[in-house]
Amino acid sequence: KQEVTQIPAALSVPEGENLVLNCSFTDSAIYNLQWFRQDPGKGLTSLLLIQSSQREQTSGRLNASLDKSSGRSTLYIAASQPGDSATYLCAVPTDSWGKLQFGAGTQVVVTP
Amino acid sequence: DTAVSQTPKYLVTQMGNDKSIKCEQNLGHDTMYWYKQDSKKFLKIMFSYNNKELIINETVPNRFSPKSPDKAHLNLHINSLELGDSAVYFCASSLARVYTFGSGTRLTVV
Repeated sequence: KQEVTQIPAALSVPEGENLVLNCSFTDSAIYNLQWFRQDPGKGLTSLLLIQSSQREQTSGRLNASLDKSSGRSTLYIAASQPGDSATYLCAVPTDSWGKLQFGAGTQVVVTP
Repeated sequence: DTAVSQTPKYLVTQMGNDKSIKCEQNLGHDTMYWYKQDSKKFLKIMFSYNNKELIINETVPNRFSPKSPDKAHLNLHINSLELGDSAVYFCASSLARVYTFGSGTRLTVV
């Protein structure tokens, strides 16, 4: 059974620092891995999707890496801003119908 | 706007009532889902439909009944609401395992 773990559970950094968020999964036979952002009281916004054949994916200040063999993905956010404060979730599909297994999330606070 | 939209956004109701949450997507996706986010913020799948057919039915009380009138809509009906049903319910859709989520319905049972 696929299990997804995110460390740390919470992170507080001053504005301008780089953020490093970790996601690990127990079954390396994944189809893809998706990073989401959730703002308080809001829905999930998809940030990055990495296919199993890719090593990394970039969008603006965000970069996500994927190492299937070690069961890890890392989300890097460069030069953090207060607007980056949110909960970040990673998720992998666990079957052919796309049932997503989520991590518990990392709650990020960027202080001005 | 292309999106997954769900209504209502907030729902406060008394124990024992029956309520429905509606979801619509205009992305042309063929699979839709209901996820539940509990008080600890953990997201778990409840149901999934592919082209109006139920394909995932997790261990959910049978007071919860999904209905998909067409592949763009997936509704969730809940009978005899209980305090423990209080949570945020998210609708999502996918194509080729790329997912889009709605903004959630916060259900509070009092």
